[in-house]
Amino acid sequence: DAKTTQPTSMDCAEGRAANLPCNHSTISGNEYVYWYRQIHSQGPQYIIHGLKNNETNEMASLIITEDRKSSTLILPHATLRDTAVYYCIVRGLSYNTDKLIFGTGTRLQVFP
Amino acid sequence: DSGVTQTPKHLITATGQRVTLRCSPRSGDLSVYWYQQSLDQGLQFLIQYYNGEERAKGNILERFSAQQFPDLHSELNLSSLELGDSALYFCASSVRGAGANVLTFGAGSRLTVL
Repeated sequence: DAKTTQPTSMDCAEGRAANLPCNHSTISGNEYVYWYRQIHSQGPQYIIHGLKNNETNEMASLIITEDRKSSTLILPHATLRDTAVYYCIVRGLSYNTDKLIFGTGTRLQVFP
Repeated sequence: DSGVTQTPKHLITATGQRVTLRCSPRSGDLSVYWYQQSLDQGLQFLIQYYNGEERAKGNILERFSAQQFPDLHSELNLSSLELGDSALYFCASSVRGAGANVLTFGAGSRLTVL
C-alpha cells in the first residue's frame, strides 16, 4: 500500500470549511483512499473513501486530483465536535485482507 | 453506537497477569480485527480473523493470542503482562474481510498494567 503524508496539525474556525490535504504520490491504480477520524480516545470513525472520482456523503467531501497523487478531505462547516485526528490511508484491493494501516494523521483543532 | 461491542471498557491489572478482551462484531460482519493504541506507538494492527480463521497478522507479540469463535465473537488474550502493554485495544469488524470494505471500530478497551 502506498505511503501517505499529512500535516501534523491544522486549525480551523468553527463554521468555516476545513480542508485536510493528503499526499500519496506513489499510489497505484487499484488503491483506494480512505479517511477515518479519531475523536479523543474513541474508536476510529469511517468518514469517506474513493478511487478516482470525487465523493461526497453526509459527513464530508473527498477531492482526488486527476493524477491521484494527492487528495483533500473537506468538512464543509466545521464544528467543535469535528476536533479530532484525521487519518488518510491508502489501501489496495486484496483478496486476502482489508486491514487498515494507520499513520500519524492530522490533528485538527476547531476553535470558536 | 457503532454496533461493535467491546468488553470490558476498562481493566486494571498487575504485571505478570493475564487478561482477556472480548469483541462482538456488527451483525452480519464476518471479519474482526484487533488494534493496539499506546501513547507512543499510534494505532498498530495486531491481527485479523475471517469466519474463524486467521487472515492477516501484524506486529502481535508472542505473549498475545487471539481467536474467533463460531458465533463470530473474538477474544484477545494478553499474558505475562508488562507495563508497556498498557494501551487502548480496539476491535473492528467488516463484512467480507477483503476488498474495498469499510472497517467499523468499537469503543475500545483501556488496559492499565501496574
